Amino acid sequence: GAVVSQHPSRVICKSGTSVKIECRSLDFQATTMFWYRQFPKKSLMLMATSNEGSKATYEQGVEKDKFLINHASLTLSTLTVTSAHPEDSSFYICSARVQEKLFFGSGTQLSVL
Amino acid sequence: GESVGLHLPTLSVQEGDNSIINCAYSNSASDYFIWYKQESGKGPQFIIDIRSNMDKRQGQRVTVLLNKTVKHLSLQIAATQPGDSAVYFCAEIKDDMRFGAGTRLTVKP
Repeated sequence: GAVVSQHPSRVICKSGTSVKIECRSLDFQATTMFWYRQFPKKSLMLMATSNEGSKATYEQGVEKDKFLINHASLTLSTLTVTSAHPEDSSFYICSARVQEKLFFGSGTQLSVL
Repeated sequence: GESVGLHLPTLSVQEGDNSIINCAYSNSASDYFIWYKQESGKGPQFIIDIRSNMDKRQGQRVTVLLNKTVKHLSLQIAATQPGDSAVYFCAEIKDDMRFGAGTRLTVKP
């Protein structure tokens, strides 16, 4: 199947700093990628849909200025958590759609101190 | 603050037993369904899929059953092993993809 690479797998940062998470499609081009957030023992929550060359589409309740998404190429989407606070600590996962299937990155555990 | 997201139901089985994980989907027009497995600290992985023109599909040790009448999907795992311990999500696809709540499977040795 298609490979989606997500980096970093784990990041610890101080409150007030910004953190960038990268999501790459390794063996295919992805015009659309998706970003999810997951709290412990909870299901995946779709945050936004990242569209190559255009603005991302955010789900209701997700702050676009807080979670900046850039999809500048067909193989890379980035999520930047700006001015991170402890409540932003979570597991973030990206995915890309190939035909009908979604392939997921390995996730990024963000811990904000 | 209060965490958000659906709380995961759990299923605990003995090693070697068969497991059945259920999922109710919402859109009667959905025509494609996927089961994903998510191990702790990792992203979800594709397990098996089924189209709406089928009611059963078998893979290696896994079987997916689809009941369109009641909008129900199930994943059966034969001879469950400790390595099967994970969270299992179903997904329904029509114009977009929607995930079910997920079930946490724990396999006891």
